[in-house]
Amino acid sequence: DIQMTQSPSSLSASVGDRVTITCRASQSITSSLCWYQQKPGKAPNLLIYASSSLQSGVPSRFSASGSGTDFTLTISSLQPEDFATYYCQQSYSSPLTFGGGTKVEI
Amino acid sequence: QVQLQQSGPGLVKPSQTLSLTCAIAGDSVSSNSAGWNWIRQSPSRGLEWLGRTYYRSKWYNDYAVSVKSRITINPDTSKNQFSLQLTSVTPEDTAVYYCARTTYRRGDIWGQGTMVTVSS
Repeated sequence: DIQMTQSPSSLSASVGDRVTITCRASQSITSSLCWYQQKPGKAPNLLIYASSSLQSGVPSRFSASGSGTDFTLTISSLQPEDFATYYCQQSYSSPLTFGGGTKVEI
Repeated sequence: QVQLQQSGPGLVKPSQTLSLTCAIAGDSVSSNSAGWNWIRQSPSRGLEWLGRTYYRSKWYNDYAVSVKSRITINPDTSKNQFSLQLTSVTPEDTAVYYCARTTYRRGDIWGQGTMVTVSS
């Protein structure tokens, strides 16, 4: 199975901050990476697919990049509704695997 | 728009079978481009993909090795839904269970989640 490692596991930030989260795969997954946002008591919500493509309806302050084994998610100007936990997931091969999550806190 | 609605019990006794159903609105379980997945989430295991069913001229299933001997995911075309059965459950199977649609292996639609507790 492909292992996904996220860092940091948590971070503190303020409204308006630029936030970057990283995700590393245990082997090359080309550009087959998704990012999700999850709020307490809710299902994960797809933000980004194919490493850098913004899912419909997701604000443009979210962006992502990377290929191979190293990926980043950036929130350009953190908004109050962005405080949540973020997960990466590889879509390269089965079984689908997820990172451990990054909790973005105030 | 596509919606997934989960149903099933929130409490299961150890050694018994966990059964959940996911009803699909706005898409078809027989879609040639979607996969229909079960994923669970617990503090100890994080997000864990359990398996999927999908139709590509015929039906296929794909299961995680960790649960392969205990899991069955079945489509029900008459009701446009799919189900999860997990046998011989233990407290380690306690988790929030989600159904999810994947297209190109990305989970673009998720159910609301069902908290399942395994306890006597």
